[in-house]
Amino acid sequence: AQKITQTQPGMFVQEKEAVTLDCTYDTSDQSYGLFWYKQPSSGEMIFLIYQGSYDEQNATEGRYSLNFQKARKSANLVISASQLGDSAMYFCAMSPWNTDKLIFGTGTRLQVFP
Amino acid sequence: SAVISQKPSRDICQRGTSLTIQCQVDSQVTMMFWYRQQPGQSLTLIATANQGSEATYESGFVIDKFPISRPNLTFSTLTVSNMSPEDSSIYLCSVEEVAGDSYNEQFFGPGTRLTVL
Repeated sequence: AQKITQTQPGMFVQEKEAVTLDCTYDTSDQSYGLFWYKQPSSGEMIFLIYQGSYDEQNATEGRYSLNFQKARKSANLVISASQLGDSAMYFCAMSPWNTDKLIFGTGTRLQVFP
Repeated sequence: SAVISQKPSRDICQRGTSLTIQCQVDSQVTMMFWYRQQPGQSLTLIATANQGSEATYESGFVIDKFPISRPNLTFSTLTVSNMSPEDSSIYLCSVEEVAGDSYNEQFFGPGTRLTVL
């Protein structure tokens, strides 16, 4: 079965420090996509970053980077220089091959403190 | 990127009643999706709505409980029928846009927070 696992229900990080949010996935597909979304307390889902299974380089988007280790089936999100506004829920998601739907993990609540 | 609005933003309903949630997009899109997020939980896909065809429901979701309409390429509705307190959730619609050579990106609406008493 295809599944996303986020083992960290909550993480704390001090402002300006980097933090890594873990994500592992389970799929037998050769081709798939991996996404990270941020959900602030207001509830909207904000797209952060995408990694394709065939992409050889790790994706980066500003302060966000994705540490993709295909053999380990992990797609960890790294947030550099954390800001107070980064406090939110973070969801890892996978789009299986030949589908458009997203399978979400259970999320990690990140709290950034001064 | 697509701008998505949902109505209502929140509602409190009595058990046994039904609520229709609207999703409006500012551009024409082929694929629209409806997700449910139960309190403290992750998002679960309810169904995929394509214009001109019946919605495709995920395992555990049925049309009688969650009828969906997709009358055109910018609009969809989800009805939560015969509600019970277990239906209390955030309901989000999303649309898909081509974002790169190899992938599509899903943009989400602001969500509808439903509380069933």
